[in-house]
Amino acid sequence: KNQVEQSPQSLIILEGKNCTLQCNYTVSPFSNLRWYKQDTGRGPVSLTIMTFSENTKSNGRYTATLDADTKQSSLHITASQLSDSASYICVVSANNNNDMRFGAGTRLTVKP
Amino acid sequence: ETGVTQSPTHLIKTRGQQVTLRCSSQSGHNTVSWYQQALGQGPQFIFQYYREEENGRGNFPPRFSGLQFPNYSSELNVNALELDDSALYLCASSPGQGAASFGPGTRLLVL
Repeated sequence: KNQVEQSPQSLIILEGKNCTLQCNYTVSPFSNLRWYKQDTGRGPVSLTIMTFSENTKSNGRYTATLDADTKQSSLHITASQLSDSASYICVVSANNNNDMRFGAGTRLTVKP
Repeated sequence: ETGVTQSPTHLIKTRGQQVTLRCSSQSGHNTVSWYQQALGQGPQFIFQYYREEENGRGNFPPRFSGLQFPNYSSELNVNALELDDSALYLCASSPGQGAASFGPGTRLLVL
């Protein structure tokens, strides 16, 4: 069973609209949670990284939240653009750096 | 651009052949991890190298092997290729416990 579950699996929105992607995890002990954006056939690019004590982290139009008690995170995208079309991957790390658990990603499509 | 480079960008092999993929880590990063990503799936951890030593391994058979060099660049070798080895292979470098920077990946197709 994957220890990082993302929802929805895919999402289609109109340009200019907002959306929220979800990530639930059971990885323990928790070290940090990262959101990556991955264009098709390319390597993931880091958007945010949050440790246990951080509740929210913003990067431009991207805002990530973390509830370490419920083991949930969200990535909110405001005023979506066509270039936001990509897969968004949630990655949770345990205390040792090589234990990075990847979610399967949410495939976002932004249409004009 | 993350500063992590991978080569080649893509290649085609046949079953049973061997392949070597290369990764140059970001400056200052001494840890390199390799991942296999099948189409539509999240990356799966293959192994990690820290200062030229293997520092953890995922659920991959021994025909997946690697090296890290003194300049922290790395190679992933896959022997006896199988059709299911077709995937995007990602390299990520990090400064120990820090955030990982991914390379653009190598797309491998096994026929």
